[in-house]
Amino acid sequence: QSVLTQPPSASGTPGQRVTISCSGSSSNIGSNSVYWYQHLPGTAPKLLIYTNSQRPSGVPDRFSGSRSGTSASLAISGLQSEDEADYYCATWDDSLKGVVFGGGTKLTVL
Amino acid sequence: QVQLVQSGGEVKKPGASVKVSCKASGYSFTSYGVSWVRQAPGQGLEWMGWISPYNGNTNYAQKVQGRVTMTRDTSTSIAYMELRRLRSDDTAVYYCARNGDSENFDSGDYDYWGQGTLVTVSS
Repeated sequence: QSVLTQPPSASGTPGQRVTISCSGSSSNIGSNSVYWYQHLPGTAPKLLIYTNSQRPSGVPDRFSGSRSGTSASLAISGLQSEDEADYYCATWDDSLKGVVFGGGTKLTVL
Repeated sequence: QVQLVQSGGEVKKPGASVKVSCKASGYSFTSYGVSWVRQAPGQGLEWMGWISPYNGNTNYAQKVQGRVTMTRDTSTSIAYMELRRLRSDDTAVYYCARNGDSENFDSGDYDYWGQGTLVTVSS
């Protein structure tokens, strides 16, 4: 059972917009920045969003992040087949004194 | 360019130890923390801890505290993660990752990752 709760799956058709949620508590998302990773099987995770809503250079602006209260979300617009991957949120937890990850969301592009 | 290159896969028996290396290049090794994250088969990502290559300070996850040791060799820019008293549920791909913030390692911010090392624990 992950400290951060994500839906196990999400899906959309090419061109659509999908949103992936990440729910936490006051000791993690409520007081610390959230990071989002894209993970394709057999490869290293890739940083998509840092500090809640910032995109590293090279990440398309189709990807956006937001945080409100004890929840965060990742939005992907103009969905493409190459976006099919697992997505994870992560943050620091002040109570556990460690980094916590969401359980991951498997995105399928139909 | 920044690169983190990890050592190859390992097969260990329960109760044994494993030491995984992570060689950094393309940046100042002592300026950024190195964290370790693992992924068991069919499971999500799990944080194990971090080490400051600058002074050797560490911070371990409660789940592996007492069994894990993270070290570094600044002369070769290599970070190491040793896990002792291996159990079958330690079977996982182990990743090293560079902390994106050079001043705060307690974040979950990892901008570069190694390719992963599969550690299999089986009798």
